[in-house]
Amino acid sequence: EVQLVESGGGSVKPGRSLRLSCAASGFTFDDYAMHWVRQAPGKGLQWVSGVSWDSVGIYYADSVKGRFTISRDNAKNSLYLQMNSLRAEDTALYYCIKGGNSGLKSHFAYWGQGTLVTVSS
Amino acid sequence: QSVLTQPPSVSGAPGQRVTISCTGSSSNIGAGYNVHWYQQLPGTAPKLLIYVNNNRPSGVPDRFSGSKSGTSASLAITGLQAEDEADYYCQSYDRGLSGSVFGGGTKLTVL
Repeated sequence: EVQLVESGGGSVKPGRSLRLSCAASGFTFDDYAMHWVRQAPGKGLQWVSGVSWDSVGIYYADSVKGRFTISRDNAKNSLYLQMNSLRAEDTALYYCIKGGNSGLKSHFAYWGQGTLVTVSS
Repeated sequence: QSVLTQPPSVSGAPGQRVTISCTGSSSNIGAGYNVHWYQQLPGTAPKLLIYVNNNRPSGVPDRFSGSKSGTSASLAITGLQAEDEADYYCQSYDRGLSGSVFGGGTKLTVL
């Protein structure tokens, strides 16, 4: 059974940093691209970033480019999101996602339960 | 403003058929990229409903179907049930943005 467990969320002040982690199990982690998608309270879904199985391909939404860094450790079956210079508009539930079997442009096959990030002064 | 456009809401009575549209552009759906659909029940994480335009993951009832044509796609739900009341999102890839994009979501109400 695929399991994705996010951690690292919390409440921070604007301009500060936070690092999210996602522990994956139940599948061969280094066979799949992984993504982060967020959902602001009461709002829709927004793709944040994706990384290919071998970390060669990395993409970001324009809204986080230059501030967020996605990474993965295949030896630890883990996905990370380093978030710097946080803004109020980054407040959201952040989901860790296992991609489909067609690389970074594939569907989002499995979703974690999310970790909440709140940015407020 | 979402890159993919969905109606904010649709509704139908139990047993009826409803469709949800997803309109994109020549940078995403019209460029040949696949469309995927997700169902988000209240208070839960989204779940994959349809992938690669018209494929259902194991466990998804055949009451749910997807289609794609030109720069648009549609999700159809037949034999509406109360448990189908949820938010539905379409998703594709956009070559101009070099990333995935979602529709704004559609709230389905079962009357």
